Amino acid sequence: AQSVTQLGSHVSVSEGALVLLRCNYSSSVPPYLFWYVQYPNQGLQLLLKYTSAATLVKGINGFEAEFKKSETSFHLTKPSAHMSDAAEYFCAVDSNYQLIWGAGTKLIIKP
Amino acid sequence: KAGVTQTPRYLIKTRGQQVTLSCSPISGHRSVSWYQQTPGQGLQFLFEYFSETQRNKGNFPGRFSGRQFSNSRSEMNVSTLELGDSALYLCASSFAGTDGYTFGSGTRLTVV
Repeated sequence: AQSVTQLGSHVSVSEGALVLLRCNYSSSVPPYLFWYVQYPNQGLQLLLKYTSAATLVKGINGFEAEFKKSETSFHLTKPSAHMSDAAEYFCAVDSNYQLIWGAGTKLIIKP
Repeated sequence: KAGVTQTPRYLIKTRGQQVTLSCSPISGHRSVSWYQQTPGQGLQFLFEYFSETQRNKGNFPGRFSGRQFSNSRSEMNVSTLELGDSALYLCASSFAGTDGYTFGSGTRLTVV
């Protein structure tokens, strides 16, 4: 069965610093991978998706992620954190019309 | 264009009752899927429908059921509610599935 692992339930960075949220997946075939963001009391918003077209994927709000097959990773980065980036981030892999989710990482931005 | 609409936003029910949640997908999207989100279990897949056919179902008891109508709108039903069913229920729609899913704001169900 496929699984997704997000390292770190909480990540704290200073405003203006690099954001790095880690995601590893298990899949025997090229996966469809997604990053979503959830703000308090809201649904999930798609940040970006990997569908095998390019290994470096650019998303909304300045986020990007790099697919590394050899490391089975799909880490999310942003060069400079803003206070508005404080939210919970979820990595997911698509498997037979369902999304399999990581446990989520809460991003905390320090002023 | 309008996003995914879920109604109601909040719901309080008593143990043993049943509940129906509604989801209107983005116009043109034929895939609708449902997820349960709780602090303890995280996000868990309930089921997915495409053109009124259930293509996949998660590991939930038979008390959880769903359906999709010819206009792609979907409903999910939970019968004989338990306290543990308290959760945020999220609906997502997609054109084909692997192109990405757009989520609604969810229905917050509280069972007392």
